[in-house]
Amino acid sequence: EVQLVESGGGLVKPGGSLRLSCAASGFTFSHYSMNWVRQAPGKGLEWVSSMTSNSDYVYDADSVKGRFTISRDNAKNSLFLQMDSLSVEDTAVYYCARGGNNSRYGEIDFWGRGTLVTVSS
Amino acid sequence: YELTQPSSVSVSPGQTARITCSGDVLTRKYVRWFQQRPGQAPVLIIYKDTERPSGMPERFSGSSSGTTVTLTISGAQVQDEADYYCYAAVDNNLLFGGGTKLTVL
Repeated sequence: EVQLVESGGGLVKPGGSLRLSCAASGFTFSHYSMNWVRQAPGKGLEWVSSMTSNSDYVYDADSVKGRFTISRDNAKNSLFLQMDSLSVEDTAVYYCARGGNNSRYGEIDFWGRGTLVTVSS
Repeated sequence: YELTQPSSVSVSPGQTARITCSGDVLTRKYVRWFQQRPGQAPVLIIYKDTERPSGMPERFSGSSSGTTVTLTISGAQVQDEADYYCYAAVDNNLLFGGGTKLTVL
C-alpha cells in the first residue's frame, strides 16, 4: 500500500525557517518524481515544488523561488522541503504528492495527509 | 495560464453533476481531476482527461472538447459531496483550477 507521511509542520514566526519531511513507503521511491503542494486555510491547492526521481531537475513555483528548497534521499525513501524567510502568506497545509516515473513529476497520483505550517508572530 | 472552474455546483442525490474546467492550454494538455473531502487529502479520480484509475467508480467520467474539460458524476451520491480540482502540468509549472464545491442534497 502506497503511503506518504508528512511531518515537521508547526508554528513559526515571520522570517523564520522550517524543514518538512515526507516518509514514503509501499512503492519504489527512487523511481518516482515527487512534489510539494500546499493549501492555505479555506483556499484551493497551490503547487510549490517538484523534483525528478534522481534529483537532477528541480522546479519551483515563483511564489517560493529562492526561499524554499526541495530535496530527497532515495536511500531513506524521504522527501524534504526546507522553507526559509517564511511569511504569513506561507501558512498552509503542505502535502507531499507522488508524481510519475523519473521526470514525469506532473503526473500526480497519490497524496499524503499533509502537515500544517502556521506563520504568525 | 489559468484553469477556470465554477465555484459551486449543486445537485440532488441520483442526479448527474457536471463540473467544467476551462483554459486555453487545455487544447494541448491533459487534465487530471482530484476529489477532496473535508479534512482529507486529495484523491485522483480522472487522468488524461477521460481515464479512471483502477478502483474508481464508473459514475465518475471525464470528457474534453476544445478549451473545456468536464467531470461528470452520474447518479451523484451524498458521499460525493466534496471539492473537486482540475489540474494540468504546463511548461514546468503545475496548475490547479480554483476548485468546485459539489453539494449533493
